[in-house]
Amino acid sequence: DVKVTQSSRYLVKRTGEKVFLECVQDMDHENMFWYRQDPGLGLRLIYFSYDVKMKEKGDIPEGYSVSREKKERFSLILESASTNQTSMYLCASSRGDRDYNEQFFGPGTRLTVL
Amino acid sequence: DAKTTQPPSMDCAEGRAANLPCNHSTISGNEYVYWYRQIHSQGPQYIIHGLKNNETNEMASLIITEDRKSSTLTLPHATLRDTAVYYCIVRGSGNTPLVFGKGTRLSVIA
Repeated sequence: DVKVTQSSRYLVKRTGEKVFLECVQDMDHENMFWYRQDPGLGLRLIYFSYDVKMKEKGDIPEGYSVSREKKERFSLILESASTNQTSMYLCASSRGDRDYNEQFFGPGTRLTVL
Repeated sequence: DAKTTQPPSMDCAEGRAANLPCNHSTISGNEYVYWYRQIHSQGPQYIIHGLKNNETNEMASLIITEDRKSSTLTLPHATLRDTAVYYCIVRGSGNTPLVFGKGTRLSVIA
């Protein structure tokens, strides 16, 4: 059974803290993605990566960075968490060698910044 | 990328077919139509995709009109577990990320 796992389902952090959200996939996928989801705004793309050590900005990269040192792992980093980063964070992965885009999503991490 | 238009919400009686429409009048020739759904508190789940022809899998059927300007996702026998937000997405080929809109909130009613 293919899987995308995220390090935490729920996380509470304080303003100014550095936050790491980890995502691991076991499908040997080339592509990995980070989205955030907020009520009324839907899913918005933060960053994505097509390969190890590669990254591309999505629609809302401000306040975030990413790291992809290994193919199976894609980390989202909040350098200095702020209350407006309270959200549901979703990681996804997909194969890089197909015409179509079947993305597999993790269960999400609900982050609260106090 | 072509934009999509979906009704914000729909109801369906349990056991009946759920037909979810999507308009994508600006779709171009090499763009696929994808359907995903998101059950409450879970990540989105891939359902089906198509380019020109109708498609069917164990979850659903996808009918794309001949001019490709609209499509319909059909869940043949809806169950309570099909209650979710359904997203219709149009995207070109390759690795580019999917862009999710607001989707249709389907409520299956007993």
